[in-house]
Amino acid sequence: GAVVSQHPSWVICKSGTSVKIECRSLDFQATTMFWYRQFPKQSLMLMATSNEGSKATYEQGVEKDKFLINHASLTLSTLTVTSAHPEDSSFYICSASLWSGLYEQYFGPGTRLTVT
Amino acid sequence: QKEVEQDPGPLSVPEGAIVSLNCTYSNSAFQYFMWYRQYSRKGPELLMYTYSSGNKEDGRFTAQVDKSSKYISLFIRDSQPSDSATYLCAMSASSGANNLFFGTGTRLTVIP
Repeated sequence: GAVVSQHPSWVICKSGTSVKIECRSLDFQATTMFWYRQFPKQSLMLMATSNEGSKATYEQGVEKDKFLINHASLTLSTLTVTSAHPEDSSFYICSASLWSGLYEQYFGPGTRLTVT
Repeated sequence: QKEVEQDPGPLSVPEGAIVSLNCTYSNSAFQYFMWYRQYSRKGPELLMYTYSSGNKEDGRFTAQVDKSSKYISLFIRDSQPSDSATYLCAMSASSGANNLFFGTGTRLTVIP
């Protein structure tokens, strides 16, 4: 099956710093990648949709200047949390898709971000 | 009110038991219903999907949708220790993946 990796799996950073999370589709080319966030005991919530070579589309309430998404190639998307604060501590998970359909999303294992 | 409600568990059952996992939802426009399985330190993987109401069976797994009650279920027959995972329901009103609402997930442990 299709494999999606994320790096790092776990990161701790200090308040005010930026952290970059990578999402890679290892054995297929993903035209669309999605970024989700999950707070403890809450659901996965879609943050943004990114298509290769174009600007990401952010969901309502997600600050595009704070969560920078770059989908530079068909196998790599990055999420940069800028000027991180403790309230940004969460589980970030990406998914990749050949197209943006429901049943063809392949999820990465997630990245646990802790901001101190 | 949350779009999708799911009991987080945890749920522990003996091997061979029938497991019932459930979600309720509030949006009557939801048409697409999915169940994902997530093993520890792995991403969710699509287990089953159903469009509109009805049942769907795949081996030991059966997905049921009751749109009149806004209630979906996943049944696992003859549960195995390898079924131990977190199960997430998800649903959408459209076929686009940017309109997917997830439950919080139910953690299942099948005890040998």
